[in-house]
Amino acid sequence: GAGVSQSPSNKVTEKGKDVELRCDPISGHTALYWYRQSLGQGLEFLIYFQGNSAPDKSGLPSDRFSAERTGGSVSTLTIQRTQQEDSAVYLCASSFDGSYGYTFGSGTRLTVV
Amino acid sequence: RKEVEQDPGPFNVPEGATVAFNCTYSNSASQSFFWYRQDCRKEPKLLMSVYSSGNEDGRFTAQLNRASQYISLLIRDSKLSDSATYLCVVMNTGFQKLVFGTGTRLLVSP
Repeated sequence: GAGVSQSPSNKVTEKGKDVELRCDPISGHTALYWYRQSLGQGLEFLIYFQGNSAPDKSGLPSDRFSAERTGGSVSTLTIQRTQQEDSAVYLCASSFDGSYGYTFGSGTRLTVV
Repeated sequence: RKEVEQDPGPFNVPEGATVAFNCTYSNSASQSFFWYRQDCRKEPKLLMSVYSSGNEDGRFTAQLNRASQYISLLIRDSKLSDSATYLCVVMNTGFQKLVFGTGTRLLVSP
C-alpha cells in the first residue's frame, strides 16, 4: 500500500486479556519499528526490526510484550495479560533502510479497562 | 537526564510571527537529526531533516550546532495551520532507532 497500515485502529480490552496489534509496512521497507505514546507523553521506543537481523528488543517494558515480523513484512505486537498501564497509542513506523525517512502508521489506541 | 530535551511550551504566537524552538541532545555520538510534526491525536510526520550546514524548506529553517549539541527550528510567517506539537528527533550511531523528545506545542492564533 501507499502508507503504513495498522489494525485495529482502536482496541478496548479487559485487564488480564491478551491483545495482538498488527502493522503492515510500506512495501520494500526493510526497517520496522514499534513505539508507544501515552497520553501527553513522548514516544517510547519498543522494538526494531531490520531485514533478517535479530530484532532490537531493548525497549520492551516487560516480558508480557513480544513482537514478530513474518517474511520481512507484516509485524504483530502481542501484549499478554494486559494491565491498565499498557493503555496507550501504539505506533508502527517503517523505513527503507533504517537511516532516513520513517513513515508512521496512524496507530492503534489501546484502552485496558 | 533525558536524551533529548525540549521546552514543552505552549508557545502562543499570532499569525505572521516568527517563532523558534530549540532542542538539546545528550549523546555526542548522535548522527542524524530530524524535526517531526504531530497534530492532536495523529501520528508524527516528518517535517524536515537537519543538516550540519543548516537547511531551509519554505518558511522553515533547521540548524544544528554539534559543539553545543542543540538543534533549532525556525518558523517564519506563522500560519494557523502550523499549530501542532513539534518533535525533536535524534538517531544515534549504530543504534538505528529514533529517540524522540517530548515535543514543543505551538499555538498560532488569528
